Amino acid sequence: SYVLTQPPSVSVAPGQTARIPCGRDNIGSKSVHWYQQMSGQAPVLVVYDDSDRPSGIPERFSGSNSGDTATLTISRVEAGDEADYYCQVWDRSGNHWVFGGGTKLTVL
Amino acid sequence: EVQLEESGGGLVKPGGSLRLSCAASGITFRSYHMTWVRQAPGKGLEWVSSISSSTTNIYYADSVKGRFTISRDNARNSMNLQMNSLRAEDTAVYYCATYGNTSDPLDHWGQGTLVIVSS
Repeated sequence: SYVLTQPPSVSVAPGQTARIPCGRDNIGSKSVHWYQQMSGQAPVLVVYDDSDRPSGIPERFSGSNSGDTATLTISRVEAGDEADYYCQVWDRSGNHWVFGGGTKLTVL
Repeated sequence: EVQLEESGGGLVKPGGSLRLSCAASGITFRSYHMTWVRQAPGKGLEWVSSISSSTTNIYYADSVKGRFTISRDNARNSMNLQMNSLRAEDTAVYYCATYGNTSDPLDHWGQGTLVIVSS
């Protein structure tokens, strides 16, 4: 099965930069999307097609994708960014949507 | 404003059935592909099933294939998920969401409906 690997947790101090990786062989060949899920709420799309932002998402959120790793980068982290973050791709071979296991971002 | 509202969740015994619905507003529903994603308590997101705008293409996760059936009614702006032979591991919040094409993101989400499978 198609697996996307994320670290369970990432911690960062306010004002610093958080980087959340999403790994899979040759993920750079796919379009990766990122979702933010606050506690008790529905997911929200924060980055799509590797590095594009939906309207209303701060410029502090950015993405990159190359080789075997896609990365969500959150600059100048704020307490309000504390949430779970999920990467997601479409697996053409299996006709499946696939999510990473999620990363809990803690703002120290 | 796009709004998706799930309904139909509840408590059901193992082996039982439940029918979830997703009502859409603020979009031209017949132009959107739709999907169900679930989240077990304390766990991550898991894709369940998707249906194209014209129902031409339907997809299921292996974990629900043969037990769940997705459908939609474009005249009523709604999508359904018929869940049969429910198991304890189907306990989750079920979200509906929209997408453009299969490689596109899930761009609008509902707030979810909770399904609990327990005796």
